[in-house]
Amino acid sequence: DSGVTQTPKHLITATGQRVTLRCSPRSGDLSVYWYQQSLDQGLQFLIQYYNGEERAKGNILERFSAQQFPDLHSELNLSSLELGDSALYFCASSVEGTAAYEQYFGPGTRLTVT
Amino acid sequence: AQSVTQLDSHVSVSEGTPVLLRCNYSSSYSPSLFWYVQHPNKGLQLLLKYTSAATLVKGINGFEAEFKKSETSFHLTKPSAHMSDAAEYFCVVSDGWGGKLIFGQGTELSVKP
Repeated sequence: DSGVTQTPKHLITATGQRVTLRCSPRSGDLSVYWYQQSLDQGLQFLIQYYNGEERAKGNILERFSAQQFPDLHSELNLSSLELGDSALYFCASSVEGTAAYEQYFGPGTRLTVT
Repeated sequence: AQSVTQLDSHVSVSEGTPVLLRCNYSSSYSPSLFWYVQHPNKGLQLLLKYTSAATLVKGINGFEAEFKKSETSFHLTKPSAHMSDAAEYFCVVSDGWGGKLIFGQGTELSVKP
């Protein structure tokens, strides 16, 4: 158990809908990262937050947004869902948002868009 | 830009024989490199990391990796495979100060009895 929690574990929804994925980082970790794992794209970085502020953006679609709240939990919002958004979404946290600190991954949320 | 290339998409070994998973990296500066493992329907677990200290890095479960700058490689090895090692392994490079991880395409390791 990494100490990072993600809810829900599974999510099945229809095209065009909007969903919210939630992540609670390890106690004391200030940085949260979101990654997407799909069969065709592999594991890709989406976005990083550090202590409530956006720090880095990757290949995140405009239909996707995220935020980190004062209690440091984070939410990833996916809207106007398409079939291709079906993937495993991981959250990771680290003490600080630099390469020197390892990232601990949550169990992931499996999103299925039908 | 940072990148990693895992040279084998699938590796099959017999239990008790050595494991070698190959990874080459590309980086414009001294990289931070990692190996992560993903068991079926599980999250990602850090096996080991290299951050410019010793070039031979020891990780969990008997795995180790050697950083070779001249060959831009960071291959993962284990002397003797166990059935429980069957999983997907990812070679990963960290993108500079921000820490975002860039993953290779993964190598699926199968272990035969």
